[in-house]
Amino acid sequence: DSGVTQTPKHLITATGQRVTLRCSPRSGDLSVYWYQQSLDQGLQFLIQYYNGEERAKGNILERFSAQQFPDLHSELNLSSLELGDSALYFCASSGGGRADTQYFGPGTRLTVL
Amino acid sequence: DQQVKQNSPSLSVQEGRISILNCDYTNSMFDYFLWYKKYPAEGPTFLISISSIKDKNEDGRFTVFLNKSAKHLSLHIVPSQPGDSAVYFCAASARYTNAGKSTFGDGTTLTVKP
Repeated sequence: DSGVTQTPKHLITATGQRVTLRCSPRSGDLSVYWYQQSLDQGLQFLIQYYNGEERAKGNILERFSAQQFPDLHSELNLSSLELGDSALYFCASSGGGRADTQYFGPGTRLTVL
Repeated sequence: DQQVKQNSPSLSVQEGRISILNCDYTNSMFDYFLWYKKYPAEGPTFLISISSIKDKNEDGRFTVFLNKSAKHLSLHIVPSQPGDSAVYFCAASARYTNAGKSTFGDGTTLTVKP
């Protein structure tokens, strides 16, 4: 158990819809990262937040947005969903803003029908 | 432009033998490297890391070697066990210039046969 929790575990929705994925980092961790893993592909970095502020941005679509709240939990919002957005979405957390070891949650499997 | 590459999508070894997983990178600013292991239906878990000031780091059956001039690192698992069967991701970061973001390779699926 990494200490990072993600909800929901599975999500099935239709094209055009909007969903919100939630992540609670390990106790004390200030950084939260979001990754997308499509079928048989590697981990694609989406975005990082550090203590409530956006720190780094990767290959995140404009239809996607994220935020980190004062209690340090984070939400990833995916809108105008397309079939190609079906993937595993992982959240990870680390202690600081530098390249610390990241602790991953179990992921949310999103299926867009 | 893929900055971290794991050129072997899969590797199969016999139990008890050595497993060698390879990773190449292109960004000379990377100074910290990590290996993660991922089982199906779980998130990746940290395995071992190495800073660019070292060329080797060992932790039990796992050793990571770094060749900075070749921009290459490898993970050695000795002896390999069936429970090591998983996807292994190599990751790299530039600690002081890239805000802690790690760039991941696409992963290598290791199968250890009993």
